Amino acid sequence: RKEVEQDPGPFNVPEGATVAFNCTYSNSASQSFFWYRQDCRKEPKLLMSVYSSGNEDGRFTAQLNRASQYISLLIRDSKLSDSATYLCAFINSGGSNYKLTFGKGTLLTVNP
Amino acid sequence: DTGVSQDPRHKITKRGQNVTFRCDPISEHNRLYWYRQTLGQGPEFLTYFQNEAQLEKSRLLSDRFSAERPKGSFSTLEIQRTEQGDSAMYLCASSQSAGQGYTFGSGTRLTVV
Repeated sequence: RKEVEQDPGPFNVPEGATVAFNCTYSNSASQSFFWYRQDCRKEPKLLMSVYSSGNEDGRFTAQLNRASQYISLLIRDSKLSDSATYLCAFINSGGSNYKLTFGKGTLLTVNP
Repeated sequence: DTGVSQDPRHKITKRGQNVTFRCDPISEHNRLYWYRQTLGQGPEFLTYFQNEAQLEKSRLLSDRFSAERPKGSFSTLEIQRTEQGDSAMYLCASSQSAGQGYTFGSGTRLTVV
């Protein structure tokens, strides 16, 4: 099983739609989780950390399910500017507790 | 600008040439990372520095690759005898402590022709 797997996408949604992405991880020692956003030919930018109790930032909601070993990102009321690639990432506990491991990313296109 | 800076932004080189990239992390961040990203893939870990010490090197980092971080400030990544397979975006990132998300620089896009 791969260390991290993401919905491959691409996702094409109309403006105003709600869209959700999942990301599964194989290492139960994973302790810190993140969602990054990456625009075409740009660097990844931290969108939000994912906390055990779930967290929300405006239209974005992140959830963690440790039992099933996945994280999710929900985007409500999609905007054209949300079009980007969304990367999940995690850090394991223990000796490599500094190393971010990324998924391949999911491409989202929001259409007018 | 207090973010992570990388130079150059783009580099086109002929196969077999050596190239060197520079990264200036956020000044208060003592942790520095190099990643590589190819089209359709997420960033892949290459190496990690804590201050001036290089604490981990990925197996992706062949003998042709070397990274340094003298004095624990800026870092350089050198690729010797470049190959076409080295074409990628090379990303530098920094963080202040373990378990935190990183701040990435704009990257250096390398094209080997």
